[in-house]
Amino acid sequence: AQTIHQWPVAEIKAVGSPLSLGCTIKGKSSPNLYWYWQATGGTLQQLFYSITVGQVESVVQLNLSASRPKDDQFILSTEKLLLSHSGFYLCAWSLGNTLYFGEGSRLIVV
Amino acid sequence: QQKVQQSPESLTVSEGAMASLNCTFSDGTSNNFRWYRQHSAKGLEVLVSIFSDGEKEEGRFTAHLNRANLHVSLHIREPQPSDSAVYLCAVSLVNTGNYKYVFGAGTRLKVIA
Repeated sequence: AQTIHQWPVAEIKAVGSPLSLGCTIKGKSSPNLYWYWQATGGTLQQLFYSITVGQVESVVQLNLSASRPKDDQFILSTEKLLLSHSGFYLCAWSLGNTLYFGEGSRLIVV
Repeated sequence: QQKVQQSPESLTVSEGAMASLNCTFSDGTSNNFRWYRQHSAKGLEVLVSIFSDGEKEEGRFTAHLNRANLHVSLHIREPQPSDSAVYLCAVSLVNTGNYKYVFGAGTRLKVIA
C-alpha cells in the first residue's frame, strides 16, 4: 500500500526566515508529485508538480521553490518567508489521474 | 482559465436526509471530475471520480455529471454526523504529465443528529 508522509505537521515561523517542508511517498515508484497550498479559508491552488527526479514545474509564483532530490521525496522551500505564505500546504501524488493527498503541513508566519 | 464554483457555501442537513452539493465549471473540454472531503484542515479524502456524463456511485456517495450544462453534483445518501466536513469539487483536463486540478472553494456540510 502507498503511504504519503508530510513534515512538519505545523510550524510557526518569523517573516524573513527560511522554510523547508517535506513530503515522502512510499510504495509507489516514480510517482507524479504535487504541492498544493490553501490559504486560511481559501481555495486549494496547485503550486508545483514533478513527473521525475530532478524535474519540477512551477504553476503559480509565490516566491517559493520546490525540488525533487529523490524519486520518493518532494521538498518545498523558500529562503525568506512572507506573511502571505501562511496557510496549509498539501503534498499529493497521482496514480493514473487520481490525486492522493498527504495530511498537510500548517504554516503560520508571524 | 478554468473556474470552478460550488454551491451552497454551507449546508446543514439532518442525519438520514439526502445531502446535495453542486459544482459548476467553465471549461467544457474538462474530462476529469472528483469530489474530495476535508475534515478540519486535514488531508483530502477522495470520494468519487467521474469521467463521462451520467451517474457514478461509490457507497453512499453519488456523482452526477452533465458536461453540456457544465455541472457536476454530489449526493450523499443517509448522511451521518461523521460526514460533517468541507466537500471540494476538483475539475481537470488531463494532459500529459500534469494532472492540473482546479478546486472549488468548497461546501461546508454539517450533519445534525
